[in-house]
Amino acid sequence: DTAVSQTPKYLVTQMGNDKSIKCEQNLGHDTMYWYKQDSKKFLKIMFSYNNKELIINETVPNRFSPKSPDKAHLNLHINSLELGDSAVYFCASSQDRETEAFFGQGTRLTVV
Amino acid sequence: AQTVTQSQPEMSVQEAETVTLSCTYDTSESDYYLFWYKQPPSRQMILVIRQEAYKQQNATENRFSVNFQKAAKSFSLKISDSQLGDAAMYFCAYRIKYSGGGADGLTFGKGTHLIIQP
Repeated sequence: DTAVSQTPKYLVTQMGNDKSIKCEQNLGHDTMYWYKQDSKKFLKIMFSYNNKELIINETVPNRFSPKSPDKAHLNLHINSLELGDSAVYFCASSQDRETEAFFGQGTRLTVV
Repeated sequence: AQTVTQSQPEMSVQEAETVTLSCTYDTSESDYYLFWYKQPPSRQMILVIRQEAYKQQNATENRFSVNFQKAAKSFSLKISDSQLGDAAMYFCAYRIKYSGGGADGLTFGKGTHLIIQP
């Protein structure tokens, strides 16, 4: 029944590793997003994806890449993980680019 | 660029009382959307209320209501009859009315931590 689900909820990994976070939405929404919440709780958009159009926040390092196998999924791949990548990553979706976003439960990534 | 400011890092209120969380934003756009999201300790982001800038009437959802002052670029959230379950981080967010291309997604404020005193 979960509208937007992410896996895993927690991820601990070593510096330099490559990892992925999966996201699926069953709301039939057209647009999906990835947000990053830092240690001070500040939320910032990383990517939005709509109808195969990807919009990237210019501050996101190119080690981060979203992959969308279909409209219901938007996975986040992170290469060469760094300590500063430690954060909570939220997937979200919305019906279109004007309506409210529905969030997943977040993935807490810890890089050691 | 749009910015959202929440000037109260933390607020405390007695159970059953009313509290108002403030939010101001900066934009050159005339058509946009404003939201309040709640993040309890469970980490889940929950939509509380939504306001469309072209609507003058303030949005209301049960005990939650907003005071939207477009000219002042202010969007405060009032919680009436506060309950223990209202304890959470509250984030104000802005979203431009999409017109094709360019920036997208929500711009968030830094949040207000709301404490409910029993």
